[in-house]
Amino acid sequence: EAGVAQSPRYKIIEKRQSVAFWCNPISGHATLYWYQQILGQGPKLLIQFQNNGVVDDSQLPKDRFSAERLKGVDSTLKIQPAKLEDSAVYLCASTPSVGSSAKNIQYFGAGTRLSVL
Amino acid sequence: GQSLEQPSEVTAVEGAIVQINCTYQTSGFYGLSWYQQHDGGAPTFLSYNALDGLEETGRFSSFLSRSDSYGYLLLQELQMKDSASYFCAVRDQGGFQKLVFGTGTRLLVSP
Repeated sequence: EAGVAQSPRYKIIEKRQSVAFWCNPISGHATLYWYQQILGQGPKLLIQFQNNGVVDDSQLPKDRFSAERLKGVDSTLKIQPAKLEDSAVYLCASTPSVGSSAKNIQYFGAGTRLSVL
Repeated sequence: GQSLEQPSEVTAVEGAIVQINCTYQTSGFYGLSWYQQHDGGAPTFLSYNALDGLEETGRFSSFLSRSDSYGYLLLQELQMKDSASYFCAVRDQGGFQKLVFGTGTRLLVSP
C-alpha cells in the first residue's frame, strides 16, 4: 500500500511570496489533515477535511492560508503572502474511515520543509 | 486551553528501559496516542489507549490513567534506532479523530 505522498520536499521562498504544497493521501482514506510543525515542537493542526468538506479549520490563519480538497482525494495548501514565522515543516496525514480497525491511526507523509527568507 | 506536558529530552543506553511520561489538560478526552518521529522523517503511529491500563506491542508499551490525566510510553531493550522524538497526542473529540500533540520528547540512545 502506497503511503501519503507530499511534494515538494523542500521549498525556499522570500517573504511576501506565495507557495503551494500538494498532498495525496492513502487510497480510500476519507479524512485528510494538514499540520504545521515548527522546529522543536509537535505538529499543530491547521485544517481537517472529511471527504471534500472542511471539518475543522479553527487554527488556520485564514488571512494568508487556504486549503482545498476539491474531489475528496488530493489536497493543496497555499500560503499567500508568506511571513518569516511560516518557516516550518508542513505535514499531511490521512485516516481510514470510522468503520476501519485503523480508524485511530493517522498516517503521515514525509512533509514539506519551508524556509521563508 | 489544551496542554500536554512531556520531558524535553531523555537519554539512555542500549538495552536499557526508558519511560516517557505525558500529562494532559484538554477540553475533552477520547484517547491518548503515541507517535515516533526520526529527524527529517514522518511521524509514525506507535499506540493508542482509550481505556485505563497497559497496552503492549513488542518492545513498546503504553499506559493510561484517565483519572490522573496521565500516560506513559515504555520502551524496553533499547536499540540505537530508537533514537527519535516521541509525541503524545490526545484525541479530544468523539467525531473526526482530531489530535492535539505534545511538544515531544527527544530520546537519545547511546552505545
